Amino acid sequence: DQQVKQNSPSLSVQEGRISILNCDYTNSMFDYFLWYKKYPAEGPTFLISISSIKDKNEDGRFTVFLNKSAKHLSLHIVPSQPGDSAVYFCAASGATSGTYKYIFGTGTRLKVLA
Amino acid sequence: DVKVTQSSRYLVKRTGEKVFLECVQDMDHENMFWYRQDPGLGLRLIYFSYDVKMKEKGDIPEGYSVSREKKERFSLILESASTNQTSMYLCASSFPDSNQPQHFGDGTRLSIL
Repeated sequence: DQQVKQNSPSLSVQEGRISILNCDYTNSMFDYFLWYKKYPAEGPTFLISISSIKDKNEDGRFTVFLNKSAKHLSLHIVPSQPGDSAVYFCAASGATSGTYKYIFGTGTRLKVLA
Repeated sequence: DVKVTQSSRYLVKRTGEKVFLECVQDMDHENMFWYRQDPGLGLRLIYFSYDVKMKEKGDIPEGYSVSREKKERFSLILESASTNQTSMYLCASSFPDSNQPQHFGDGTRLSIL
């Protein structure tokens, strides 16, 4: 049972344009959501997070949107740069997964074309 | 900067061997985690620990055990390695607050022949 889903395995975007990565979840008890970026041969790097009491969080070029009624979150990268090419994982945690436990999606590979 | 160090980047072992993967963090984090990453499956939690000598099973603990004798060190043990344990293993650590992100090491790519 995949509680956190990233339905797009890959995405290609032109440099300078917006990248939108999507993530859906099924468990309404999740209350904290994160995005990680992973380059090959490196560990995941924390990018941005959002609590369920918010619907938007922004950090520079990165913005995460949370739609609780749709159980959907998205990561917007504007403008996209070639260095953003990586695999992006969304993760969720909450009362039922355990305070310390994250449930990860399967990842979306972003390729930003120069 | 948080530093999570995994002892080996690449490891090749034989089936039936006992394998130790070591992880050390330098941020005095209470929580430590072991995940494995496989294509199409994302990151799956094997075990985690929220204090010295404490451990909890994650989603896929079968075939693994862990040890946490010191706060900064968390070891993953494959009791008798099998080929289906060939994977990328990732260690992470965090503070106990629910809004504190986990920080990852660079991973150990383990091949079981």
